[in-house]
Amino acid sequence: GENVEQHPSTLSVQEGDSAVIKCTYSDSASNYFPWYKQELGKGPQLIIDIRSNVGEKKDQRIAVTLNKTAKHFSLHITETQPEDSAVYFCAPRGSNDYKLSFGAGTTVTVRA
Amino acid sequence: DAGVTQSPTHLIKTRGQQVTLRCSPKSGHDTVSWYQQALGQGPQFIFQYYEEEERQRGNFPDRFSGHQFPNYSSELNVNALLLGDSALYLCASSLGLGGGTEAFFGQGTRLTVV
Repeated sequence: GENVEQHPSTLSVQEGDSAVIKCTYSDSASNYFPWYKQELGKGPQLIIDIRSNVGEKKDQRIAVTLNKTAKHFSLHITETQPEDSAVYFCAPRGSNDYKLSFGAGTTVTVRA
Repeated sequence: DAGVTQSPTHLIKTRGQQVTLRCSPKSGHDTVSWYQQALGQGPQFIFQYYEEEERQRGNFPDRFSGHQFPNYSSELNVNALLLGDSALYLCASSLGLGGGTEAFFGQGTRLTVV
């Protein structure tokens, strides 16, 4: 099965600074790479995703970059705001797989 | 447009009992997946239903079973509850089988086994 690791496990940033979370995966056949944000008491919310034929994707303050050779992808949040405080999960999916394989999560705290 | 809805939101059961959780997918979606999320961990895949059949199953015992109805809604059943089954149970819906389709999650059902 897919082994997924996220780093760091916790991240504290000053409001306005950038945050970067890295996700490494083991299945070279993975072809779909989403990031989810989970706030307390809620289900995970899809915030951005990328597919294997694309190296980078951006949506306003968030971006995802993919390095298929090294088998890792990263979430970038710029100009962080207090409402960005949450737990973030990467969840790659293999080409012959129906399930998402979640990482252990990264707790992001944005200090005002 | 309603997103993924789950019921109930909270549930307390006694060890050994049985429980049924329900999920209605996002409008236009036909595939439902169930995940278990223990406190402080990432969600773990239980199984996925498409066209009323279980298409893939994660590493969960047979005590966990499910069903999908013709209107695409789904149920998760857990028999002989253990204390370790206490978790947030998440339902995700998507369109079609195969990789690459976006999955949207409900708010979850918090199950506590005492």
